[in-house]
Order: sequence, then structure tokens, then C-alpha cells
Amino acid sequence: GAVVSQHPSWVICKSGTSVKIECRSLDFQATTMFWYRQFPKQSLMLMATSNEGSKATYEQGVEKDKFLINHASLTLSTLTVTSAHPEDSSFYICSAPPGGGLAYEQYFGPGTRLTVT
Amino acid sequence: GESVGLHLPTLSVQEGDNSIINCAYSNSASDYFIWYKQESGKGPQFIIDIRSNMDKRQGQRVTVLLNKTVKHLSLQIAATQPGDSAVYFCAENYGGATNKLIFGTGTLLAVQP
Repeated sequence: GAVVSQHPSWVICKSGTSVKIECRSLDFQATTMFWYRQFPKQSLMLMATSNEGSKATYEQGVEKDKFLINHASLTLSTLTVTSAHPEDSSFYICSAPPGGGLAYEQYFGPGTRLTVT
Repeated sequence: GESVGLHLPTLSVQEGDNSIINCAYSNSASDYFIWYKQESGKGPQFIIDIRSNMDKRQGQRVTVLLNKTVKHLSLQIAATQPGDSAVYFCAENYGGATNKLIFGTGTLLAVQP
């Protein structure tokens, strides 16, 4: 089946610094990828849709200048949390639909645990 | 905005029993529904899906039922095993030009040996 990886799996950073999270589709091309955030014991909340070769589409309430998304190739999307604060500590998960942006089924990455101290 | 919700946040069952996890959705325009299993510290894992033109779909030990009249979705797990212990989420796809998934609040399934 389709495989999506994330790197790193966990990261600890100091408040005020920036951290980059990578999402890769390993065996398929993804023109669209999705980024979610999940706080402990809560559901996944869609943050943004990453579009290869164009700007990301952010959900309402998500600061685009704080969460920078770059989808530079058909297999890689990156999420950069800028000027991180402790409240940004969360589990960040990406997903990608094999077969194109309108494919219903999405495969999820294993997630990245971000802790901001 | 519209959201998908679950009735039971925690479900405890005995090993071997059948489990039923419920989900209510509010967007009548949603045309595709998915159940995901999420183990601690991992990403969601696809279990089964159903399109809005169906009312039932079966997989291996799992069955999804869709009742569009009352906007209700359920996941049935037969002969529940300890390995089924996880959080289960339903998700709806709004369809059309967007491929966004909206997740429900989740149900923790705890299987007692």
C-alpha cells in the first residue's frame, strides 16, 4: 500500500525558534498533501492543504505566517513552525491521497511530536 | 462550522465480544465516510470506508453502517481482540472540489482480556 513518512518523529525545541517537519510520499506522487494538528486526547484538526507548485490553503484560524508550508516536489511537503511557543506543542500529522488531489482515500504519516520548551 | 461527533468517548468491551462505535455527522452534503484506527503515538490507520450511495459495507471483522436519514454512522467490530484497543475516528469528506476530511471526536476502545 501507499506509504507516507514524516521526519522527524519527535522534536524538542526552545521557545522562539523554528522547526521544520517533512512529509514524504514514498511510493506515489502527491500533488496534494494535508497537514493536521492533534492535541492530547483530541481529534485531528485540519490545518492546511499543501498544493504542489502553488500556495497552501489554510483553514480558518490557522496563521499562515506562523505555519509555513512548502510543497516543492510531488513527493515532499514541509511544515515549518516559526517562532514556536509552548502552546504549539502538539502532534502534527500529514496525509496524502494517492492518485491525485481528488482521490478520497488518504494515507497518513506516522506523525511528529513537537515539544516546545 | 459543521462537525462530526461521537456519542461515546470511551467503550470498554470484553475480548471476544462485538463492539459498536457510533458517529453522528452534520453535513448532509458529505458523500464519503471513513473509519480510522489510531494507536497511541501513531498516525491514523484506514479501516473501512463507505460512500453515501451505500448503507452497509463489510470488511474483515468490521462492518460500517450508514444511515443518511438520521446522519449516523457506525463501526461494528466482530470478536474484538486486545489488538483492537485504540482510538477510533470517523471522518467525512465534503466531496466536490475539495478533498478535505473532517474528523469526529474519537472513541477510545478498551478491550479487556
